[in-house]
Amino acid sequence: AQRVTQPEKLLSVFKGAPVELKCNYSYSGSPELFWYVQYSRQRLQLLLRHISRESIKGFTADLNKGETSFHLKKPFAQEEDSAMYYCALRDRGSTLGRLYFGRGTQLTVWP
Amino acid sequence: DSGVTQTPKHLITATGQRVTLRCSPRSGDLSVYWYQQSLDQGLQFLIHYYNGEERAKGNILERFSAQQFPDLHSELNLSSLELGDSALYFCASSVGLAGTGEQYFGPGTRLTVT
Repeated sequence: AQRVTQPEKLLSVFKGAPVELKCNYSYSGSPELFWYVQYSRQRLQLLLRHISRESIKGFTADLNKGETSFHLKKPFAQEEDSAMYYCALRDRGSTLGRLYFGRGTQLTVWP
Repeated sequence: DSGVTQTPKHLITATGQRVTLRCSPRSGDLSVYWYQQSLDQGLQFLIHYYNGEERAKGNILERFSAQQFPDLHSELNLSSLELGDSALYFCASSVGLAGTGEQYFGPGTRLTVT
């Protein structure tokens, strides 16, 4: 069974502080990991995918297969980063594309 | 704007009623996915259609059904509504069948059952 765990429901930091949103997964196949962001109950937007290994809006995430983690990090948080963040997993070996989502972490960046 | 549209934006209805939610995928996308976002269950996959055919089912209740039409738009039908069906329903589209392309999400339909 696939499972994505985001242990923090809420996370608050001050502007300029580093932030790390945790994501752990359990999956027996070949997973592809994503981070999605949702601002003020708007549509979900793809932030990062692990195969791209890119940095978007200053965020990075590294897939650690040993620890089965895909934590999202940003060295200096900004107020506009306040949003709901979802970690998601997809089976790369499947012909189907459904996403398995974690429960999400609400990030608040205080001024 | 992802190019995925959903109507209506908001829907308020009573228990026992039936509603239809509509999703138009991005131009050229053949896959449509439906997800339910609720406070207690989080984001859950409901069903996936590809080029008019059902491909996968997730945690979709028997009271719910969906279809994808020849023009590729999709409808999610919810019947015998219960208070617990109140949620935000998203659809997402992607270009292909396999899990390699990005899923683009629509703005969602907020359903309130009173």
